[in-house]
Amino acid sequence: GAGVSQTPSNKVTEKGKYVELRCDPISGHTALYWYRQSLGQGPEFLIYFQGTGAADDSGLPNDRFFAVRPEGSVSTLKIQRTERGDSAVYLCASSLGGQGNTEAFFGQGTRLTVV
Amino acid sequence: AQSVTQPDIHITVSEGASLELRCNYSYGATPYLFWYVQSPGQGLQLLLKYFSGDTLVQGIKGFEAEFKRSQSSFNLRKPSVHWSDAAEYFCAVGDSGYALNFGKGTSLLVTP
Repeated sequence: GAGVSQTPSNKVTEKGKYVELRCDPISGHTALYWYRQSLGQGPEFLIYFQGTGAADDSGLPNDRFFAVRPEGSVSTLKIQRTERGDSAVYLCASSLGGQGNTEAFFGQGTRLTVV
Repeated sequence: AQSVTQPDIHITVSEGASLELRCNYSYGATPYLFWYVQSPGQGLQLLLKYFSGDTLVQGIKGFEAEFKRSQSSFNLRKPSVHWSDAAEYFCAVGDSGYALNFGKGTSLLVTP
């Protein structure tokens, strides 16, 4: 596709449920990032993939959060036993490489609301 | 730990007036510095970035930013603001080149 695609654009779930958020990066981009943006805050780094492997998952807040990228393209962010505090916009970005001199392109995000 | 501070939560300017958005960072070495813009319903768009070299960086949409090491600042400027510039602006700093540390953002309102 022309840009980074995230689905769904909105997700409402009940507390305690499991959710999956999908990111389809720009074709050919080997680097993929997940960020979380809470209301009134800047994006907060969660995890970075280079190819299929998670090169840095230090931003994942706890073990309820997990992300995969099995074929080095599409990535799924998985949240177990959701809590109201997980409500936020989850942003995905991709870039040609993992170096700072390559621009990261962001998707429009998935707005997750836990009720 | 590296951090980014955007002192102004909201800024209002008149259309045609000049604009300066402030950004201060805390980091031991020379960081990678970025400015992003986020419009309602849109993803983050990169305006400009600084890695090294000339401390005055030109970006898209007529924006520029100046890196001042002595002040640990990377302020964003535009000489004449257009109504379409109303948006949320984020300053970000990176060290390893991938994990960006964002400020809380500055919301820009443009009045007629």
